[in-house]
Amino acid sequence: QSALTQPPSVSGSPGQSVTISCTGTTSDVGSHNRVSWYQQPPGAAPKLMLSEVSNRPSGVPDRFSGSKSGNTASLTISGLQAEDEADYYCSSYISTSTLLFGGGTRLTVL
Amino acid sequence: QLHLQESGPGLVKPSETLSLTCTVFGGSISSRNYYWGWIRQSPGKGLEWIGTIYYSGSTYYNPSLKSRVTIFVDMSKNQFSLKVSSVTATDTAVYYCTKGDYHYMDVWGKGTTVTVSS
Repeated sequence: QSALTQPPSVSGSPGQSVTISCTGTTSDVGSHNRVSWYQQPPGAAPKLMLSEVSNRPSGVPDRFSGSKSGNTASLTISGLQAEDEADYYCSSYISTSTLLFGGGTRLTVL
Repeated sequence: QLHLQESGPGLVKPSETLSLTCTVFGGSISSRNYYWGWIRQSPGKGLEWIGTIYYSGSTYYNPSLKSRVTIFVDMSKNQFSLKVSSVTATDTAVYYCTKGDYHYMDVWGKGTTVTVSS
């Protein structure tokens, strides 16, 4: 199974909005809403930011939002802050009781 | 607040078996609501899902690793463990243990680095 497709990098200035896409197939992203997003700052462990496409765990700012259309899920960060600079990974549940990650996207805050 | 801590050898020889343990603090590994898992990240690369175990003992593995991977729980120690057999340099990575549901991970350990080298 190939990794989900994410852009290698995105960037934005403080206060702006950025969107990171995560493209899969009808066998994963396109077949259900079990898509999650993780933030990994440099040298740190990943942190869950969104589950089930758009559900924010307690403590995650509402600047982080998610959506899905067809085989592509998206993470949008509004009001960009310097602390948002990190790698972001999407993941999707696959019907065979397995998980698949995207290749990751490096967000640079200019 | 539940947290996780990985432990195990940082250096493993090629062809041998990598063994890691994750200790659960602040919660019970026998909770019916939780799935426990392992994720790894090779140097400079992305995340790779290794596998997951439910409290009942049901296991789910990455098809690409399934023939070499075993995950099991030790309820008496509130721990779960990972074994990867016949390791090669491509198994060199930071290994994270996780807790979550079957389709997401909401608690991560800090990770432990394992190097495969003679």
